[in-house]
Amino acid sequence: AQSVAQPEDQVNVAEGNPLTVKCTYSVSGNPYLFWYVQYPNRGLQFLLKYITGDNLVKGSYGFEAEFNKSQTSFHLKKPSALVSDSALYFCAVRRYSGSARQLTFGSGTQLTVLP
Amino acid sequence: GAVVSQHPSWVICKSGTSVKIECRSLDFQATTMFWYRQFPKQSLMLMATSNEGSKATYEQGVEKDKFLINHASLTLSTLTVTSAHPEDSSFYICSARDLGTLPSGATDTQYFGPGTRLTVL
Repeated sequence: AQSVAQPEDQVNVAEGNPLTVKCTYSVSGNPYLFWYVQYPNRGLQFLLKYITGDNLVKGSYGFEAEFNKSQTSFHLKKPSALVSDSALYFCAVRRYSGSARQLTFGSGTQLTVLP
Repeated sequence: GAVVSQHPSWVICKSGTSVKIECRSLDFQATTMFWYRQFPKQSLMLMATSNEGSKATYEQGVEKDKFLINHASLTLSTLTVTSAHPEDSSFYICSARDLGTLPSGATDTQYFGPGTRLTVL
């Protein structure tokens, strides 16, 4: 079985400050890890993914995430937050191989960037 | 990046009627599409996996006779909510799996549609 935990329902940060949205995962074997963002009444937009290779992954809109195998974490980061980054963020995982191609999503973290 | 569309974006219907939602991959072929349901302020719940040319695979607890899925081509999957009731009101989101460039499909990514807001009166 695979699972994802996003321990924070809500993260508030001031505009211009760095932001971190936390994610830990559990999966048998090597993981594929994803971050998606959802704006109100919209579908999910793909931000970035980790498959293999460099542990620091750079994605859309200046976001990046660091894969930490020992801590089974994949935290989303951005050096300087914008008000427009306010949205709902989902971390997702699936196994690297095998027939279970479905993504398992975390519960989501609402990010609010304060002006 | 890959684009997935959904139609309609919102629909209001009377109880007992059926509603069809379309999901299209616009610039790639998708042998596999997924249908999710999302309640307010909650995560996505996978309803079913739609495979082109074969029957959909439903998650436990999802009624296959109520939520009919058809994946007739590599770019189109449809979800039909039959005999809709108010408790079916929700945000329905589809995704399409882009296998990427590696033969193994190891880099595949799911791209999501914008969602369909269904309200059953």
